[in-house]
Amino acid sequence: AQSVTQPDIHITVSEGASLELRCNYSYGATPYLFWYVQSPGQGLQLLLKYFSGDTLVQGIKGFEAEFKRSQSSFNLRKPSVHWSDAAEYFCAVSGQAGTALIFGKGTTLSVSS
Amino acid sequence: EAGVTQFPSHSVIEKGQTVTLRCDPISGHDNLYWYRRVMGKEIKFLLHFVKESKQDESGMPNNRFLAERTGGTYSTLKVQPAELEDSGVYFCASSLTAGAYNEQFFGPGTRLTVL
Repeated sequence: AQSVTQPDIHITVSEGASLELRCNYSYGATPYLFWYVQSPGQGLQLLLKYFSGDTLVQGIKGFEAEFKRSQSSFNLRKPSVHWSDAAEYFCAVSGQAGTALIFGKGTTLSVSS
Repeated sequence: EAGVTQFPSHSVIEKGQTVTLRCDPISGHDNLYWYRRVMGKEIKFLLHFVKESKQDESGMPNNRFLAERTGGTYSTLKVQPAELEDSGVYFCASSLTAGAYNEQFFGPGTRLTVL
């Protein structure tokens, strides 16, 4: 079955510390992978995406993610977290046709001062 | 440029009542998607319009849900009659064309509470 697992429901990180949010996927065909962020009262915003090529992709707001096919993972990272990064983060997968996105349950990030 | 807008932002109704959610996509976006997030669960795909045609409605939970996109502009999602398990956040998204290469832009969602 096609699915996305985000094992961490809630993470708290100190401001300035590094961040890694985990994402594992199960998908029968070539996966197209996405990370979205949702701040309170806002819609989901695309942070970055991976289709092919370099397995380390850069996104907006200083985020990056690494695709590891052998581990079926697409973890999101940021070297130094800012208080404004507090939000809910969603990992998603789709096929090339790319209509229906399949989401994980999301990880809520809190940033402590 | 205006983003995807959804109305209302919140709706509280009694079980058995009818509710209609509205989504206005980004102007010029032929593709419109509905998703739903039940509390504690994943965001799940409901259906996909291309212009006014339903391209994929495989995620619609049952026949109490009716989605329309007359004229290929805004879309409505009607729930009739609403049940307790329909509570959740309903997201709308739009994209210029279909396919993974084309970003889906999401609205802020409508939070539906069925009492």
